[in-house]
Amino acid sequence: DAEITQSPRHKITETGRQVTLACHQTWNHNNMFWYRQDLGHGLRLIHYSYGVQDTNKGEVSDGYSVSRSNTEDLPLTLESAASSQTSVYFCASSEHNRRYTGELFFGEGSRLTVL
Amino acid sequence: KNEVEQSPQNLTAQEGEFITINCSYSVGISALHWLQQHPGGGIVSLFMLSSGKKKHGRLIATINIQEKHSSLHITASHPRDSAVYICAVDSGGGADGLTFGKGTHLIIQP
Repeated sequence: DAEITQSPRHKITETGRQVTLACHQTWNHNNMFWYRQDLGHGLRLIHYSYGVQDTNKGEVSDGYSVSRSNTEDLPLTLESAASSQTSVYFCASSEHNRRYTGELFFGEGSRLTVL
Repeated sequence: KNEVEQSPQNLTAQEGEFITINCSYSVGISALHWLQQHPGGGIVSLFMLSSGKKKHGRLIATINIQEKHSSLHITASHPRDSAVYICAVDSGGGADGLTFGKGTHLIIQP
């Protein structure tokens, strides 16, 4: 069965360190997204991609970067982790085009704690 | 940017009760999503709809485009339905046109 997997599921790091969260999907979806989930907020978009070599900034992109070298993977990098980036991160994918997001398929989430 | 309001924020009910969760939004949309998140778990898409009504098992989702309102109903609720239910609206124009509500935390007691 097709799926979307995230790793690591849990990570504790220190302020200033670089962290990469992996996201791998076998749906063959063009669209991939990274969201963060915090208490008191809905899911907020960090970065997204509509296909290979395409990346775009979302609502809360400062301090994060992504790259899309193939269809299956969209790793999220925190260049210099800050305590404000302590959160649960969700990767998602969908098959639709740029106009409509379509049905979303989410990973299990990665809980990141920055000390 | 679309404003999405869900009500109630928290709901505790007894097993077997009929449950209704509401979602209102401020700007016209191309589609509305209902998502489910179990404690400590991932997020699962329940419905994506742009008009009318959809049913899957004990879950029913309705949308009224004119009133900018959607409801998620659960019939014969069960403790395994305990989860956070999230409404998301797609205003079109791409990924940043998707706005999520803060979720409704549902607990079904046996």
